[in-house]
Amino acid sequence: DVKVTQSSRYLVKRTGEKVFLECVQDMDHENMFWYRQDPGLGLRLIYFSYDVKMKEKGDIPEGYSVSREKKERFSLILESASTNQTSMYLCASSWTSGSRLRYEQYFGPGTRLTVT
Amino acid sequence: ELKVEQNPLFLSMQEGKNYTIYCNYSTTSDRLYWYRQDPGKSLESLFVLLSNGAVKQEGRLMASLDTKARLSTLHITAAVHDLSATYFCAVGPSSGTYKYIFGTGTRLKVLA
Repeated sequence: DVKVTQSSRYLVKRTGEKVFLECVQDMDHENMFWYRQDPGLGLRLIYFSYDVKMKEKGDIPEGYSVSREKKERFSLILESASTNQTSMYLCASSWTSGSRLRYEQYFGPGTRLTVT
Repeated sequence: ELKVEQNPLFLSMQEGKNYTIYCNYSTTSDRLYWYRQDPGKSLESLFVLLSNGAVKQEGRLMASLDTKARLSTLHITAAVHDLSATYFCAVGPSSGTYKYIFGTGTRLKVLA
């Protein structure tokens, strides 16, 4: 079974703190993604990575950065947390090519971040 | 810009009834995914539809894909309370992008 794990289920941080959210997958997926999910807004893509050290901005990258030093790990960094970053953060991973034609995303359990 | 629209956004139905959730998308794609999300939980993959005319069934749920109409449907047969959840469709990735585009979700409540 594919497993995507996230470092915390719940996190409470103060405004201005630097926040690290970690995601690890165990299926050798090339692609990894960070989304945030807010009521009424659905899933919005923050960043994704298609290879080690490679990243691309998603739809809402402002206030976030990412790091992918190893294939299995993708970190989301909030440089200076703000209250409008209170949200549910979901990590996902997927294959790219070859015989793995399904391409579906596998999601982690989510991190509910509250910034006070 | 690729858009994915689901309707209805909210659906309240009685147990035992049938209903269909619709997913329309705005560009050519032959990859369509359905996910389920329970309150406070993450997304779980339900169906992967990879070609025109694809039909997949699991229990009381059946998904289909019409790439010419750019439409996928998720049909619920004889609903039960356990199917209460939010259902998302997603499109992609297509050539030149790694992005998946999600619909806004359909929140289904099945009343006993």
